[in-house]
Amino acid sequence: DADVTQTPRNRITKTGKRIMLECSQTKGHDRMYWYRQDPGLGLRLIYYSFDVKDINKGEISDGYSVSRQAQAKFSLSLESAIPNQTALYFCATSDLPRLAGATYEQYFGPGTRLTVT
Amino acid sequence: RKEVEQDPGPFNVPEGATVAFNCTYSNSASQSFFWYRQDCRKEPKLLMSVYSSGNEDGRFTAQLNRASQYISLLIRDSKLSDSATYLCVVTPLYKGSQGNLIFGKGTKLSVKP
Repeated sequence: DADVTQTPRNRITKTGKRIMLECSQTKGHDRMYWYRQDPGLGLRLIYYSFDVKDINKGEISDGYSVSRQAQAKFSLSLESAIPNQTALYFCATSDLPRLAGATYEQYFGPGTRLTVT
Repeated sequence: RKEVEQDPGPFNVPEGATVAFNCTYSNSASQSFFWYRQDCRKEPKLLMSVYSSGNEDGRFTAQLNRASQYISLLIRDSKLSDSATYLCVVTPLYKGSQGNLIFGKGTKLSVKP
């Protein structure tokens, strides 16, 4: 079973609809992230959470909100979807670097392809 | 200047070729550096970390030049399976960001038979 799962994997929705993307992880990591990826723009950070009580805005948080329901779950919501939110969305997790020189490796889910028409 | 810049490619090379990717970063205080690999329509995965002394993992060699704020990835004896997009990644150092990653847009490699 995958360590980081995302649901749904594909979604087509209409402008103005509310949509939630969900992410679950079994890695026991404290840190979770939401990114979007657009052709030619690379991965951009939307929100991140360092633990259940900690939520932070990333580079492009406008139009999005998140909820960290538990250590293992981090959901992303689009309150009123618009066409320029059409993108590939990735959830990722990482452990807390507890030792000097420890890696900041992030583990990604398989992605959700969202289309807003 | 963007935080992480890469040549987008594509690099089209024959099997067995040696290919090098370069990346520059703007924040001189960045501490950690990585190369991630992303296959088409798949999630990014860590390929290797990049250390100041340079490091090698099989056919892959990564180099870091802090003075020039430059990172490189060398792939020797290219295989068809090396075809992917290679993402240059650094950690920013603004307050509260420790552990976050800044991704370059990626360099696409296509290895042909």
